[in-house]
Amino acid sequence: GEDVEQSLFLSVREGDSSVINCTYTDSSSTYLYWYKQEPGAGLQLLTYIFSNMDMKQDQRLTVLLNKKDKHLSLRIADTQTGDSAIYFCAESPYNQGGKLIFGQGTELSVKP
Amino acid sequence: DSGVTQTPKHLITATGQRVTLRCSPRSGDLSVYWYQQSLDQGLQFLIQYYNGEERAKGNILERFSAQQFPDLHSELNLSSLELGDSALYFCASSSRRDREYNEQFFGPGTRLTVL
Repeated sequence: GEDVEQSLFLSVREGDSSVINCTYTDSSSTYLYWYKQEPGAGLQLLTYIFSNMDMKQDQRLTVLLNKKDKHLSLRIADTQTGDSAIYFCAESPYNQGGKLIFGQGTELSVKP
Repeated sequence: DSGVTQTPKHLITATGQRVTLRCSPRSGDLSVYWYQQSLDQGLQFLIQYYNGEERAKGNILERFSAQQFPDLHSELNLSSLELGDSALYFCASSSRRDREYNEQFFGPGTRLTVL
């Protein structure tokens, strides 16, 4: 079946690293995405990883992919209060157009 | 600003009614997607249109229908509304048809409240 799972909440102190985890089910997903939703706004693509990669780094963001365990993580270094938002991971299932399946979202709270 | 516009921002209506949500994609994008976000179901894919044709369908209720017009804007029609249809409805657009790298740009959403 199609299912993407994330923990619901994460609280960190400003300056710490945040790690948000996600598990997915479709082993044929070619791209896996991280989207960010700020209060009262739509989703915005944060980063992505192609399925033949293990890791991707983009400034403060590091994405790790473990295909064997179907596990994806997003690490935010030096987390700032402006990073407080809901983070969604998403997979793109096989043969379903551009459909994205999203996890429930992880609400990141950054305390000063 | 993603370049995707949705109207109206808020909609309050009664059970049994019908509403239409409108979406204008980013200039040049041929794909339009509709998603429903609710507290209990999370963010659920409803339907995708590509250049006027239905491309993919999710768990969209039979009471819901959508279309994409020649100018590429899209409308989502919700009929016989129930309390459980209260949610945030997002439209997204992209330049791609399928699941090759496909960044989707989301609109700000329409918040539907059914009383």
